[in-house]
This record gives sequence, structure tokens and C-alpha cells, in this order.
Amino acid sequence: GAVVSQHPSRVICKSGTSVKIECRSLDFQATTMFWYRQFPKQSLMLMATSNEGSKATYEQGVEKDKFLINHASLTLSTLTVTSAHPEDSSFYICSASRRDRALYSNQPQHFGDGTRLSIL
Amino acid sequence: QKEVEQDPGPLSVPEGAIVSLNCTYSNSAFQYFMWYRQYSRKGPELLMYTYSSGNKEDGRFTAQVDKSSKYISLFIRDSQPSDSATYLCAFGNFNKFYFGSGTKLNVKP
Repeated sequence: GAVVSQHPSRVICKSGTSVKIECRSLDFQATTMFWYRQFPKQSLMLMATSNEGSKATYEQGVEKDKFLINHASLTLSTLTVTSAHPEDSSFYICSASRRDRALYSNQPQHFGDGTRLSIL
Repeated sequence: QKEVEQDPGPLSVPEGAIVSLNCTYSNSAFQYFMWYRQYSRKGPELLMYTYSSGNKEDGRFTAQVDKSSKYISLFIRDSQPSDSATYLCAFGNFNKFYFGSGTKLNVKP
């Protein structure tokens, strides 16, 4: 199956630090990347959708100045949690998808392995 | 009405059992029907996906879609302890994807 690499897998840092998470699509060109947050024993919560070369679309309630998303190429998207605080501690997961021209839609997403962020 | 409904479980079965996981949905415009498996502290892994009604088989897994009833199922034959995970159904429509809350499956040796 398709491979999406997410790095780092674990981050522990002090409150006020900015943290950058990378998401790479290793074997296909990802026209769209998604960023999710997942709380323990809960499902995925979509934070934002990022299309290559354009600004990310954030879901309601997600602060775009807090969670900076850059999708500069078809294989790389980054999420930066700025001035992180303990309430930002969570499991962050990215996914990548490519355009299905036949259906004018995105093909199913392939997920990275997630980043566990702990803010002290 | 929620876009997607999925029984959270947990579902506990003995090794070798046939497992049936189900989701219902409300949006008839969904184009993709998917099942993901998520192990603890890992990202979801795409197991199967299909565009149409009917059955799709891959090894011990069979995905079934009934568009008329807005119902999808995942069957796991000869379940193994390694199948213990959370299974998420998912649906896609253009640039939007919708996920179920996940069913936690435990296969006991």
C-alpha cells in the first residue's frame, strides 16, 4: 500500500515551544493532505485540509494562527503548533490523497503513523 | 442525523470466529466506501475500499456495500489475535471524508 511518513513520532517539550511535524508522501504525489487530531479512545477530528500550492482550509474551531500548515510540494506538508500549551497535547495524524480524475474527487486517504505531542 | 453511525463496541470474539463490523450512513452522494484498521498509538491503515455496491474480497476480509440501504459491512473470516484493533468505516465525497467513531475488536486466543 501507499506509504506516508510522519516525523517525529513523539515530542515532549516545554510550554511555549513551537513544534513542527512533517508529513511526507513517499510513493505518490499527494494533491491533498489532511491533518487530524485524535484524543484517547475517540475518532479522528479533522483539523484542516491542505491542497498543494494553496492555503489550507481549517475546520470550524481550529485556530489557523495556532496551527500553521504548509503544503509546499506534492510530497510534503508540515503542521507547526505555535507556542504550544498543555491543552495542545494530543495525537496528531496526517494523511495524503491524490486526485481521482475519473470521479472528480480525492482517492482514499493513506495515513501516517501519527505524532504524540506532550507539552509540559 | 449523523452522517455516519458506527457501533463503538467493544466486540470480543474467540480466535477463528467470523467477525461482522457495520456502519450506516445518510449521504447518498458518497462515492468511496472504505475500511481502516487502527492499532493502538498508530495511524489508521487502509484495509479496503470500493466505489460500488456489492462485495469485494481480499484474503480473509470482505467489504460489502449496500447503497440502497446505506449500509456497509466488513467481514473478517478466521479471525486472529493480530486482528485486534479499532476498525473505522469511512466515506468519501469529492474533497470531504467522513469517518465512523470506530469499533474496537478484541480477538481472544
